[in-house]
Amino acid sequence: GAGVSQSPSNKVTEKGKDVELRCDPISGHTALYWYRQSLGQGLEFLIYFQGNSAPDKSGLPSDRFSAERTGGSVSTLTIQRTQQEDSAVYLCASSIQGASGNQPQHFGDGTRLSIL
Amino acid sequence: GENVEQHPSTLSVQEGDSAVIKCTYSDSASNYFPWYKQELGKRPQLIIDIRSNVGEKKDQRIAVTLNKTAKHFSLHITETQPEDSAVYFCAANQGGKLIFGQGTELSVKP
Repeated sequence: GAGVSQSPSNKVTEKGKDVELRCDPISGHTALYWYRQSLGQGLEFLIYFQGNSAPDKSGLPSDRFSAERTGGSVSTLTIQRTQQEDSAVYLCASSIQGASGNQPQHFGDGTRLSIL
Repeated sequence: GENVEQHPSTLSVQEGDSAVIKCTYSDSASNYFPWYKQELGKRPQLIIDIRSNVGEKKDQRIAVTLNKTAKHFSLHITETQPEDSAVYFCAANQGGKLIFGQGTELSVKP
């Protein structure tokens, strides 16, 4: 079946603009995760959604970052008033239900965000 | 919260040699430890994982060991090949999410 799909694959925007990144998880996966990967760095947790539970937003770096997941499927990560330090690859992953995070996570190809 | 330390940051081996990457974690409640391989410009791909109820798991040339008492786990790649060259990340679960190590860049020289 289809894997995790992210769009756009690349996004270049000017500082101060808002951006929306989209993630379409694997069908049937109830958990969805967003990570950020800066150049040459590891994966930094941002937020995750598990079924109908309230999302864990503990990794969001500032109130300019928000995410939603409509209908338990597609998720959108929004960054308002972008800054140059927001430049990174934003990765989405999904897994079957696992409240303790103990199920394999499958990643999308990511969105490479560049802030000019 | 969970902290995952990964060593070494870079590793260079000759083709056919073994490679070992080590990680330590801090949260004794962690019970799931995956390893991901990421080639340049590609998505991280899960290569092997281990749960806290076992001490070792093997899949062909790849093995992972876990020492819960010492809170460390290691990835072992035997008979390395040039196509094993990539960045490898370990991770540990905490509160529903994964905390990743900083990665090891493995280079396998022909």
